[in-house]
Amino acid sequence: EAGVAQSPRYKIIEKRQSVAFWCNPISGHATLYWYQQILGQGPKLLIQFQNNGVVDDSQLPKDRFSAERLKGVDSTLKIQPAKLEDSAVYLCASSSRGGFTGELFFGEGSRLTVL
Amino acid sequence: AQSVTQPDIHITVSEGASLELRCNYSYGATPYLFWYVQSPGQGLQLLLKYFSGDTLVQGIKGFEAEFKRSQSSFNLRKPSVHWSDAAEYFCAVGAANNNDMRFGAGTRLTVKP
Repeated sequence: EAGVAQSPRYKIIEKRQSVAFWCNPISGHATLYWYQQILGQGPKLLIQFQNNGVVDDSQLPKDRFSAERLKGVDSTLKIQPAKLEDSAVYLCASSSRGGFTGELFFGEGSRLTVL
Repeated sequence: AQSVTQPDIHITVSEGASLELRCNYSYGATPYLFWYVQSPGQGLQLLLKYFSGDTLVQGIKGFEAEFKRSQSSFNLRKPSVHWSDAAEYFCAVGAANNNDMRFGAGTRLTVKP
């Protein structure tokens, strides 16, 4: 069974530029999460989708971050414009049920460096 | 909201020695507790989870964890560490009434030969 796929693995941009990350969850998984992991910290939930609807985006900085999950499968996370403090690894995860009862399967992450 | 504290940022143990990684949580109701492991350049992988029942739970790779409600703890243990266990370990807490799973800051494990 294929795991969670993310791209790109690495991205370097200058502040005020934009960037987009893509995630393809495990086939059949209805729930998709985007986490931000800053160096030395644990992952922080940015947004959770159930199929193509948003369940929780309370910690997403909506003035610069946006995310969508078209057709309830792939998802894209965008940052525009980027700030220095956005340098982090962006992790995508999926699960077949809600995260508090099921296991989350994580991708390898997309590492963003903002100069 | 729930929160997690992992007091140890970095731990070094010798191969073959026993291991205990500490985790304390804060949540008013019965929590759902998890331990995840992250190897360099890899995503997080679930080691074990506690929802209810027996407070000692077994996981993959020979790990176990014990839920102690009185101490608000969920410490991870392994009787004999292997060099391949070197990684970052994250404790996480989830709740039944929301969809947010909160992670601790992680403990980095180094294994000496």
